[in-house]
Amino acid sequence: TQLLEQSPQFLSIQEGENLTVYCNSSSVFSSLQWYRQEPGEGPVLLVTVVTGGEVKKLKRLTFQFGDARKDSSLHITAAQPGDTGLYLCASLTSGTYKYIFGTGTRLKVLA
Amino acid sequence: DTEVTQTPKHLVMGMTNKKSLKCEQHMGHRAMYWYKQKAKKPPELMFVYSYEKLSINESVPSRFSPECPNSSLLNLHLHALQPEDSALYLCASSHGTGYLQETQYFGPGTRLLVL
Repeated sequence: TQLLEQSPQFLSIQEGENLTVYCNSSSVFSSLQWYRQEPGEGPVLLVTVVTGGEVKKLKRLTFQFGDARKDSSLHITAAQPGDTGLYLCASLTSGTYKYIFGTGTRLKVLA
Repeated sequence: DTEVTQTPKHLVMGMTNKKSLKCEQHMGHRAMYWYKQKAKKPPELMFVYSYEKLSINESVPSRFSPECPNSSLLNLHLHALQPEDSALYLCASSHGTGYLQETQYFGPGTRLLVL
C-alpha cells in the first residue's frame, strides 16, 4: 500500500520566519501535487512536480521533488498570516485514478 | 479556467430526507471524483467516474448514490443519512486521459450537516 507521510503535522510560527514541510513515501511516484486548504474550503492546487530533482518556485514557495521521486518538500520563505492553512501532498496510485493524500501539515502563521 | 463548482455550499438535512449534491466542470475533463473530508483529516475518496462510467467505488454505503449524467456534471444523491455522515463533501476532476500528470482540481465543497 502506497502511503505519503508528511512532517511536521503541526507548525505554529511567527510572521517572517521560514519553514519546510516534508512529504515522504517508500514508493516511487510519477508525479506529486501540493495543495493548500483553508477551513471549509476545497484544496487549492499549488504545484505539480514530475521530474526527479525538479525545483519549482511560486513566489515565496519553493517545491522540490526528490531525485528518486519518493519524497518532496515545500519551503516557505518569510511566512505571512495568509499562508495559514492545511498543506497536503498527493499523488496518483500507479495504474489507477485513485489519489492518495499525505497526512497533512497544519500551518499557523502568527502576525 | 480551472474551476470546479459545487452546489449547495451548505446543506442541513434530517435522517429521512433525500437531497442531492451537484458538481460541474467545463475544463473538458473526463474523470470526476467525490471525496468526503472530516475535520482536520485529508480527503477520503468515495467514487471515481471515468468517461461517465463508475470506475471506483470505495465500499461506500448505498445511502450515497453517485450519478454522472454527462461529462461535465456529477451528482451525489443522499438518502437516509446518519449523523456521522456530516462532513465536507468535495468534488474534483482531472483530464482522465491516463497521463502520468493526472492532476486533480477540487471544487469548494459542500458542508453537510445531518441531524
